[in-house]
Amino acid sequence: EVQLVESGGGLVQPGRSLRLSCTASGFTFGDYAMSWVRQAPGKGLEWVGFIRSKAYGGTTEYAASVKGRFTISRDDSKSIAYLQMNSLKTEDTAVYYCTRGPYVDTGPFDYWGQGTLVTVSS
Amino acid sequence: SYVLTQPPSVSVAPGKTARITCGGNNIGSKSVHWYQQKPGQAPVLVIYYDSDRPSGIPERFSGSNSGNTATLTISRVEAGDEADYYCQVWDSSSDHRGVFGTGTKVTVL
Repeated sequence: EVQLVESGGGLVQPGRSLRLSCTASGFTFGDYAMSWVRQAPGKGLEWVGFIRSKAYGGTTEYAASVKGRFTISRDDSKSIAYLQMNSLKTEDTAVYYCTRGPYVDTGPFDYWGQGTLVTVSS
Repeated sequence: SYVLTQPPSVSVAPGKTARITCGGNNIGSKSVHWYQQKPGQAPVLVIYYDSDRPSGIPERFSGSNSGNTATLTISRVEAGDEADYYCQVWDSSSDHRGVFGTGTKVTVL
């Protein structure tokens, strides 16, 4: 059974940093791209970014709203994906979901974690 | 940037058919994925690559995509289908970016 478990969320002040982790199980982690999607309270889904598998270069893509502030990385030996968030803004307040995919660049997010809440406030 | 437009809400009686549209410029040339999100839960993939169903998703869920509109159709609607639905594509016009639709709340009357 595929499982994705996010951790690391919490309350953080504007301008500070936070790192989220996504621990995966139930599949060969290194074979898949991993993505982050967020949802502000009462709002819709917003794609944050993803990291390709090593087979596809392990490269990353980011939404314009987070590019230069957020960094996605992965540790295939531990089956963990990370989202490093720097220079946080109040508008980054959201539930952050870890998702598997896209397997290829046009593919879907086929499994989702339960999400972790990040609150940016002074 | 690429924009996907969905109706904010769709209401449907049990047993009837709900159709949720997702509008985008020449969306028929892209692959569309659909997600269902119930209150307090993570989204679930219900349709991928326009019309394919993941295992475990009822045949009542189907999808189509042509021109400037993609459509998610829910036949024989049940109370348990009440949820928010989001379409999603990849836009490679500049960088390669994921784009979600604005979301549609389906209410079962």
